[in-house]
Amino acid sequence: NAGVTQTPKFQVLKTGQSMTLQCAQDMNHEYMSWYRQDPGMGLRLIHYSVGAGITDQGEVPNGYNVSRSTTEDFPLRLLSAAPSQTSVYFCASSETGGWNTGELFFGEGSRLTVL
Amino acid sequence: GQQVMQIPQYQHVQEGEDFTTYCNSSTTLSNIQWYKQRPGGHPVFLIQLVKSGEVKKQKRLTFQFGEAKKNSSLHITATQTTDVGTYFCAGHGDSNYQLIWGAGTKLIIKP
Repeated sequence: NAGVTQTPKFQVLKTGQSMTLQCAQDMNHEYMSWYRQDPGMGLRLIHYSVGAGITDQGEVPNGYNVSRSTTEDFPLRLLSAAPSQTSVYFCASSETGGWNTGELFFGEGSRLTVL
Repeated sequence: GQQVMQIPQYQHVQEGEDFTTYCNSSTTLSNIQWYKQRPGGHPVFLIQLVKSGEVKKQKRLTFQFGEAKKNSSLHITATQTTDVGTYFCAGHGDSNYQLIWGAGTKLIIKP
């Protein structure tokens, strides 16, 4: 049972380039989400999805796009990378995402550097 | 917007000393979750509290949720080197699908 799998683990981009961070889970979770983690700022929610075909914005959505065509996959797209997007990105999933669901399962993270 | 303040930002302890981190929310929370993140790792769920005044224990860890469901604490008794990492609290506020996260408390064991 792989849990939540993120790729790539490390990526270096130049300003203006685009890329997609991949996230897949094999737990049949309805809820999936993307966070970014910056030093001293904890985790900030970028986008989330409560099921296939349904996505919504979190706290810091600007510069990022998501889609959810299947239950398993939730890719995060950076359309035109900026140095401010240098961060560690985590994908996380849970059964339904609601307050009574319980734990979030996190992927191992993707460290992105934008030059 | 809703915020969860977590203090302290860092805590240096000698191995064997106790450690406590506190979270305070600007509004009432539906629940409080605690996660641990080892250096270079990802957050790992520890526990969830949902009832006013709830107290739960996991071996040397004690978790509390305040009566007003606006504050919480994690206390570790007799810290060990395996406790090193950053501890985060997070709770659901007005939005059922968005967790509000504290900034974390980093536990550092003095050599």
